[in-house]
Amino acid sequence: DAGITQSPRHKVTETGTPVTLRCHQTENHRYMYWYRQDPGHGLRLIHYSYGVKDTDKGEVSDGYSVSRSKTEDFLLTLESATSSQTSVYFCAISEGRSTDTQYFGPGTRLTVL
Amino acid sequence: AQSVAQPEDQVNVAEGNPLTVKCTYSVSGNPYLFWYVQYPNRGLQFLLKYITGDNLVKGSYGFEAEFNKSQTSFHLKKPSALVSDSALYFCAVRDTGTYKYIFGTGTRLKVLA
Repeated sequence: DAGITQSPRHKVTETGTPVTLRCHQTENHRYMYWYRQDPGHGLRLIHYSYGVKDTDKGEVSDGYSVSRSKTEDFLLTLESATSSQTSVYFCAISEGRSTDTQYFGPGTRLTVL
Repeated sequence: AQSVAQPEDQVNVAEGNPLTVKCTYSVSGNPYLFWYVQYPNRGLQFLLKYITGDNLVKGSYGFEAEFNKSQTSFHLKKPSALVSDSALYFCAVRDTGTYKYIFGTGTRLKVLA
């Protein structure tokens, strides 16, 4: 898992509470991504970042916010968790070159009760 | 909008037989295509990619993929399947303008002993 860590790896929380997931990379890659994986939907992009303080929305961004204050860290925040946000969340990185490849972290399993 | 389709939710194949996992794509411009594999409770692992050049791309673990521009397909293949190849396989396309990656819904490969 190419120098990418995610924390926590597992979390159980209650509806209405805020949750922050962290992605940390040691590769100095420019791009970082947050996905969620749900059965029947594959991976869906939540938000991505193309540099420090530069972020953009993906296809399922409602209810999520992100921040990137350092190259190595990309935070995903669920402002007020709902049961529909129960999922497995993956962080990914890429260099942002035409020939590059996206690499994934190990994932965070989030359960919202 | 760019998209990928994996028409089969599951593919079963006997050990030792050749396997094919199908992927079709829709892009504007040149396609940048990828295959990833996911083992249980793990992140996605990169298998291979097509950026340009030869239509037959060789990747990790004996997998290869054939890019067919006229049929807009990028099928994953392996000449002789192993039980250990049983996993979830994702096809993806990269948006060249934004470096966003769009994933298919995944195909579960089951290799039977």
